[in-house]
Amino acid sequence: EVQVVESGGGLVQPGGSLRLSCAASGFSLSDHYMDWVRQAPGRGLEWVGRSRNKANSYTTEYAASVKGRFTISRDDSKNSLYLQMNSLNIEDTAVYYCARDPTADWGGYFDCWGQGALVTVSS
Amino acid sequence: IQLTQSPSFLSASVGDKVTITCRASQAINNYLAWYQQKPGKAPKLLISAASTLQSGVPSRFSGSGSGTEFTLTISSLQPEDFATYYCQHLHSYPITFGQGTRLEIK
Repeated sequence: EVQVVESGGGLVQPGGSLRLSCAASGFSLSDHYMDWVRQAPGRGLEWVGRSRNKANSYTTEYAASVKGRFTISRDDSKNSLYLQMNSLNIEDTAVYYCARDPTADWGGYFDCWGQGALVTVSS
Repeated sequence: IQLTQSPSFLSASVGDKVTITCRASQAINNYLAWYQQKPGKAPKLLISAASTLQSGVPSRFSGSGSGTEFTLTISSLQPEDFATYYCQHLHSYPITFGQGTRLEIK
């Protein structure tokens, strides 16, 4: 079964850091583009960033709201994706989802989502 | 690229036909997907490439459109269809979602 599971969420103070993990099973992470999407409480979906696949050198893209503060990385040996979040502020409070894009091309879509990890930024 | 969904809120009855519109601020070919999200759950992919129904998604769901205007239609609402629906483009960065359409039981 194709599945991704996020972990690492929690409570962090403003200005702090947190790293989320996304463990993939049923497929090889290295073959796929992977994305992070977040959803603030009671709000809509916001794309956070993307990690392209191994064939595209794992290059990344980020939303303007997180660029320079968040970093996406991978560990192929663990079939896992990571989101390192630094300089967190209250507006970063959200459920964070990792999602798979199976197409590795424009016009793709997110066909597999995790259950989400809640990040709460509060003093 | 901004995506604007209309309506933002929709009240309908079981058996009704409903249509949700997603308008893009510039042409995005057919690079549009639709998702369904229920409270406390992750989004679920319904339609890709504007009109390709995903495996396992009931045939009462359909999508159409190209360029800047897209629609998601549910031909006969079932109780399990009451949820929030989002469109998403994957034409360029940043990838964006519409603000969502909340579909509630009348």
